[in-house]
Amino acid sequence: GQQVMQIPQYQHVQEGEDFTTYCNSSTTLSNIQWYKQRPGGHPVFLIQLVKSGEVKKQKRLTFQFGEAKKNSSLHITATQTTDVGTYFCAAPHSTSGTYKYIFGTGTRLKVLA
Amino acid sequence: DTGVSQNPRHKITKRGQNVTFRCDPISEHNRLYWYRQTLGQGPEFLTYFQNEAQLEKSRLLSDRFSAERPKGSFSTLEIQRTEQGDSAMYLCASSYLNPSTEAFFGQGTRLTVV
Repeated sequence: GQQVMQIPQYQHVQEGEDFTTYCNSSTTLSNIQWYKQRPGGHPVFLIQLVKSGEVKKQKRLTFQFGEAKKNSSLHITATQTTDVGTYFCAAPHSTSGTYKYIFGTGTRLKVLA
Repeated sequence: DTGVSQNPRHKITKRGQNVTFRCDPISEHNRLYWYRQTLGQGPEFLTYFQNEAQLEKSRLLSDRFSAERPKGSFSTLEIQRTEQGDSAMYLCASSYLNPSTEAFFGQGTRLTVV
């Protein structure tokens, strides 16, 4: 079945350093979503990418969808302590025309002040 | 509307007991999802509804799990004869009908089976 893998599993950075997490799928995706989950919180939607090679920015966050639509990345420039949390990608999986989103394994980010 | 609401927030139960969780989605949302999340893992899909119809149920879900969404509004997730392995955070999410739209998650119900 479809799997969505993320690397790295954990990342500790000094405040001000950059951070990148990668999401890889075994199949071509129609779109991909990114969520952030703060410690003790619930996943919160960040963005959705649809087009091949698409790049979207939200302030210090840059999201990219691969040309083959099988991988995606999230890059944070100059991390801040407020960036702490786990970042998940989520990809749609279609079964007989119905859709569900499969979440990746997540990358837990810790920012050291 | 204040978002997706889940009750209770925490539930401690003895092994073998039945538990039921409730989810109230955002009122305009047609789709409702249930996920299970254990420590250090991503949300694991359990089942989802489009209005009142249950469209898919994970093969990982045993017969002890059942979900309903009467009238296409709130949903309940019941676990019968709970086992220690059922201990997890149960998350509910809702979205508009278009499958390519963001999902709004509730705060979750944390189940501990002792």
